[in-house]
Amino acid sequence: QLQLQESGPGLVKPSETLSLTCTVSGGSISSSSYYWGWIRQPPGKGLEWIGSIYYSGSTYYNPSLKSRVTISVDTSKNQFSLKLSSVTAADTAVYYCARHLSKRPFDYWGQGTLVTVSS
Amino acid sequence: DIVMTQSPDSLAVSLGERATINCKSSQSVLYSSNNKNYLAWYQQKPGQPPKLLIYWASTRESGVPDRFSGSGSGTDFTLTISSLQAEDVAVYYCQQYYSTPQVTFGQGTRLEIK
Repeated sequence: QLQLQESGPGLVKPSETLSLTCTVSGGSISSSSYYWGWIRQPPGKGLEWIGSIYYSGSTYYNPSLKSRVTISVDTSKNQFSLKLSSVTAADTAVYYCARHLSKRPFDYWGQGTLVTVSS
Repeated sequence: DIVMTQSPDSLAVSLGERATINCKSSQSVLYSSNNKNYLAWYQQKPGQPPKLLIYWASTRESGVPDRFSGSGSGTDFTLTISSLQAEDVAVYYCQQYYSTPQVTFGQGTRLEIK
């Protein structure tokens, strides 16, 4: 059974960089045709796709966040990571990692991790 | 970007009654080459990640009760719960994956018991 688990600091200061890692177990992150994505959800609000990385390393970002987002993959650790720079209070959210096939919806999700941006 | 708009924002339905949630996309999510609608529905309960219920607009994910059904094509879609159970209280989201990997979600519909 595939499992995804987010990890990283729960508190980030304004203007700093948010860094999260998603560890994948029960399957290989290098499996062909899979995308590995980040989605966030501000408290009490809806879901926003942040970006995804293809198993080959190609990256795709939400245009509204593209200037601040970097997603990378570490196949040796079966992990992929999110960096979001210059954060503000508006970036406070539960951050989820998830998997999907090409032209398919997200089928496996992590439990999510709350990141609060505050001084 | 394809904008997804759900209606209503919230809904209260009596146990055993039918619940209907609508989702409209700003452009068609129907691929003419395979006649598939790239539209999914998720259920999210408090403190949990979203759970995939339906994909291709009308195909239930494995293990999803058959009281959940999806319909529609092109730009207009519906999620129906035929007989509401207490465990169905949740927020429901539609999502287009036509422009995968750049996907978008609806704003969500909160479903409660009347």
